[in-house]
Formats: sequence, C-alpha cells, structure tokens
Amino acid sequence: AQSVTQLDSQVPVFEEAPVELRCNYSSSVSVYLFWYVQYPNQGLQLLLKYLSGSTLVKGINGFEAEFNKSQTSFHLRKPSVHISDTAEYFCAVSDTIWSQGNLIFGKGTKLSVKP
Amino acid sequence: DSGVTQTPKHLITATGQRVTLRCSPRSGDLSVYWYQQSLDQGLQFLIQYYNGEERAKGNILERFSAQQFPDLHSELNLSSLELGDSALYFCASSVASQERLYFGPGTRLLVL
Repeated sequence: AQSVTQLDSQVPVFEEAPVELRCNYSSSVSVYLFWYVQYPNQGLQLLLKYLSGSTLVKGINGFEAEFNKSQTSFHLRKPSVHISDTAEYFCAVSDTIWSQGNLIFGKGTKLSVKP
Repeated sequence: DSGVTQTPKHLITATGQRVTLRCSPRSGDLSVYWYQQSLDQGLQFLIQYYNGEERAKGNILERFSAQQFPDLHSELNLSSLELGDSALYFCASSVASQERLYFGPGTRLLVL
C-alpha cells in the first residue's frame, strides 16, 4: 500500500530565507507525486507534479521539487520565501497517471513565514 | 477562485442526522471527487464520479453515499452522523481523470 510521510508538521522561517519541506513516500509500483498548497480558509491548489521525465519539477510561485527514486523522496524547495507563502503544504502520491485525483495525502506541513 | 462551488459553507447538525453536501464542478469538467479533511485522519479521498458514473472509491464509509447528476453537479450524502464525522469536506473537479484537480472551498460540517 502507498503512504506519504511529511516529516515536519510545522516549519517556521523568516522572510527571504530558503525553505525545504520534506516528503517521503512508500510504494511498490510506479508513483506520481504532487504538492498542493492550502491557504487559510481556502481549498487546495496544485503547486507542482511529477509524472515522468526530468526529476526536477518547477511549479507556481517559485517552488520546485526534486524526485529522488533511490531515497523515495519528493522534497519541496523555495530559495526565498515571502509572507504570502504562509500556508499548509500537502504532499500526495498516486499510483496511476490515469487518475490524478485518487490521491494519498500526507498529514501536511504548516509553513509560517515571519517578517 | 477555482470555479468549483460548494454549498453550504457551514453546516451544524446533531448526531444521528442526515445531511447533503452539494458541489458544482468547473464548467466543462466531467470528473468530480470528494475528499474529507479531519484533524485526526488528515485529507482522505472518498469517491470519484466521471460523467455520472462512479469511477473510484476510497475510504468512504457505508453511511456515506454520493451521486453525480446529468448536469454534472454532485451530492455527498452523510447519514447516521457521528461526532467523528465533523470535518471539512472538499469537492474537486477535473476535465478528465488524468488531468489536474481544481478544489472547491469546502463545506465545514460540525456534528454536535
């Protein structure tokens, strides 16, 4: 069975500092990986996804993630965060490219950007 | 604004009751997904419909049911409600199963 582990439940960081949100997955089959962001009192938005090809994936708002098969990781990074990046971030996995909605989500990481 | 609408925004009810949550997908989207977000279970996929037919099932309880109507809107029915059903229920839609999801703002359900 698939599972997703987000290693940090909360990450505080100062504005303009770099940030990395960690995500590890377990799966016995091919995986397709996603990062979603949830701003306060809103639904989820897709940040980026890895389906195949280049292991470095660039998303919206300056975020990127790297798929590392040997370490079963898909960590999310941003070189310089803004106050507006304060939100909860969810890593998710699917075992089928044919249904990007049947996702297993991690517990989420709350990113808090301080001035 | 994702284009996905959900009603009501908030719902307060009592144990043992039944409620219906409604979702209107983005114009042109054929797939609708339901998710439950709770403090202890996190985000869980419940069920997917595609063009009126059930396509996939996740961790949906037998007390819960859903359907997608000919106009593509969907309803999630929750019955014999328990305190543990209190959660945020999200609907999402996509053009097709292999396309990205767009999430609605959610319905917050409180069971007292």
